[in-house]
Amino acid sequence: EIVLTQSPATLSLSPGERATLSCRASQSVSSYLTWYQQTPGQAPRLLIYDASNRATGIPARFSGSGSGTDFTLTISSLEPEDFAVYYCQQRSNWPHTFGQGTKLEIK
Amino acid sequence: EVQLVESGGGLVQPGGSLRLSCVGSEVTFSSYWMSWVRQAPGKGLESVANIKEDGSEKNYVDSVKGRFTISRDNAKSSLYLQMNNLRAEDTAVYYCARGSGMVTKWGQGTLVTVSS
Repeated sequence: EIVLTQSPATLSLSPGERATLSCRASQSVSSYLTWYQQTPGQAPRLLIYDASNRATGIPARFSGSGSGTDFTLTISSLEPEDFAVYYCQQRSNWPHTFGQGTKLEIK
Repeated sequence: EVQLVESGGGLVQPGGSLRLSCVGSEVTFSSYWMSWVRQAPGKGLESVANIKEDGSEKNYVDSVKGRFTISRDNAKSSLYLQMNNLRAEDTAVYYCARGSGMVTKWGQGTLVTVSS
């Protein structure tokens, strides 16, 4: 089973700042890495697929990069609605494992 | 807008069974892999099972193998999860998901609570 490790566990920033979230895989997942955003009480929302492709309707301030084992989600300038939990997921091997999440909170 | 609507969750005793259902609103339901993803209270996400477009391939996470069965009925745009011999650790919100590993649409989730 591929283990995804997200860091940091919690990130405290202010609106307008830049956020950088990391996801590291225990073995290569090529570019089969997805990012989701989840707000309390809601289902996750697809942000980025195949490491760097923004999903439909996702603002340009969200970007993804990386391949192999190291991936990054960047939010260029935080908006109030961006404070949420972010998960990465790989689809290289079954089970399609998730990272444990990074909570982005308002500083 | 495409919708996935789950039903069938509830309170069940350890060792009991439940069947979750998910109905999709789009005619292209049969074009997608589908999956079930769960989230224990206050915890992260876990892929439970997935099923190929035509139902010919199914995969399960080790913790549910032999207890859970995923199935689909494309004529009814429906996805199912039969859960037997339930354990306390199966307590979670179960999401119906379009796609696997790259979920493009999520249901609202249905809560399964396993407790005596």
